[in-house]
Amino acid sequence: GDSVTQMEGPVTLSEEAFLTINCTYTATGYPSLFWYVQYPGEGLQLLLKATKADDKGSNKGFEATYRKETTSFHLEKGSVQVSDSAVYFCALGLIQGAQKLVFGQGTRLTINP
Amino acid sequence: DVKVTQSSRYLVKRTGEKVFLECVQDMDHENMFWYRQDPGLGLRLIYFSYDVKMKEKGDIPEGYSVSREKKERFSLILESASTNQTSMYLCASSWTSGGADTQYFGPGTRLTVL
Repeated sequence: GDSVTQMEGPVTLSEEAFLTINCTYTATGYPSLFWYVQYPGEGLQLLLKATKADDKGSNKGFEATYRKETTSFHLEKGSVQVSDSAVYFCALGLIQGAQKLVFGQGTRLTINP
Repeated sequence: DVKVTQSSRYLVKRTGEKVFLECVQDMDHENMFWYRQDPGLGLRLIYFSYDVKMKEKGDIPEGYSVSREKKERFSLILESASTNQTSMYLCASSWTSGGADTQYFGPGTRLTVL
């Protein structure tokens, strides 16, 4: 079935470090891909998305490129800040009536000053 | 801004009680969703609805039911709460437009069943 696998956490980095959170997926058809972020005590909010192969989503200094050949959508940021500390979820979107999302297990990121 | 609200942030119930979790969205979205979030498991879809009075089972519907009598409101019902339903419950909503639409999430309800 359709699934998303994320890099195991937790991940701890120092401020200004380079961040990569790996995400790979298995899907029938051609899903859209998303990264959501959950800050402490809040619900999820969309960070970025890509709807077709080779698309790059970007927001707040984060980027991810839809790689069909490797079925991946890795999240990257060149210089992280303490305020980026959160849980990050990779998800794929399936068109089945409503737009269902299948989520990865989440990666907790902590940035130390 | 899209706003999705949930009736409670924290809820404590006893085993066997009937529990209602309410979700309201203010953007006239067709689709609404209920997820539960557990550590290490990500978000799992319980039920979703693509129109008033319409509902479909998600991946883990057992022990839950839903109601959507008005477009803006989607209720999750635990008919007889059990301790294994202790979890964070998240509601979301989205438009239908043929592409992959962003889901907008509420802040969540942390339910503890004793």
